[in-house]
Amino acid sequence: AQSVTQLDSHVSVSEGTPVLLRCNYSSSYSPSLFWYVQHPNKGLQLLLKYTSAATLVKGINGFEAEFKKSETSFHLTKPSAHMSDAAEYFCVVTYNYGQNFVFGPGTRLSVLP
Amino acid sequence: EPEVTQTPSHQVTQMGQEVILRCVPISNHLYFYWYRQILGQKVEFLVSFYNNEISEKSEIFDDQFSVERPDGSNFTLKIRSTKLEDSAMYFCASRTVETQYFGPGTRLLVL
Repeated sequence: AQSVTQLDSHVSVSEGTPVLLRCNYSSSYSPSLFWYVQHPNKGLQLLLKYTSAATLVKGINGFEAEFKKSETSFHLTKPSAHMSDAAEYFCVVTYNYGQNFVFGPGTRLSVLP
Repeated sequence: EPEVTQTPSHQVTQMGQEVILRCVPISNHLYFYWYRQILGQKVEFLVSFYNNEISEKSEIFDDQFSVERPDGSNFTLKIRSTKLEDSAMYFCASRTVETQYFGPGTRLLVL
């Protein structure tokens, strides 16, 4: 069965420092991978996606993620955290062109002043 | 930019009552989905819908749930007899080639 692991349930960083949110997926065929962000009491916004093109993907708000097949990982990074980045982040995997989305458990990012 | 919309944003109902959650998917999308997120838990797949029929459903989507696309633009989720454990955020999504786009959600509270 497809699965996604987000290794940290909560990450706390200081404003202006780098962000690293980790995601690993179960290895099966060729996945497409996504990161969504959910701000408090808001819906799910697409941050970025990997769909078998370039392995380094740039998204909105300065976020990036790198697909590493050898490590079955798709970690999300940002060079410098902003207060507005505080939110819940979900890593999502699909193996059949987006029909079945499997969500990770989420990582809550806190940004300290 | 086109987006998925959902109404209402919040719904409070009594246990045993029927609720209908409404969604307007992005207009040229053909695949539609419902998910739920119980407070503090992960987002769970409920059902997918294509060509006016259910294409896949999860174990959560039992006989008390139904979906329909009544008029070519709306996509609805009906819960026939709500239970306390149905309290959750319900997300609608619609899909283009590989990406699902999500609505803002309906927060359902069953008392």
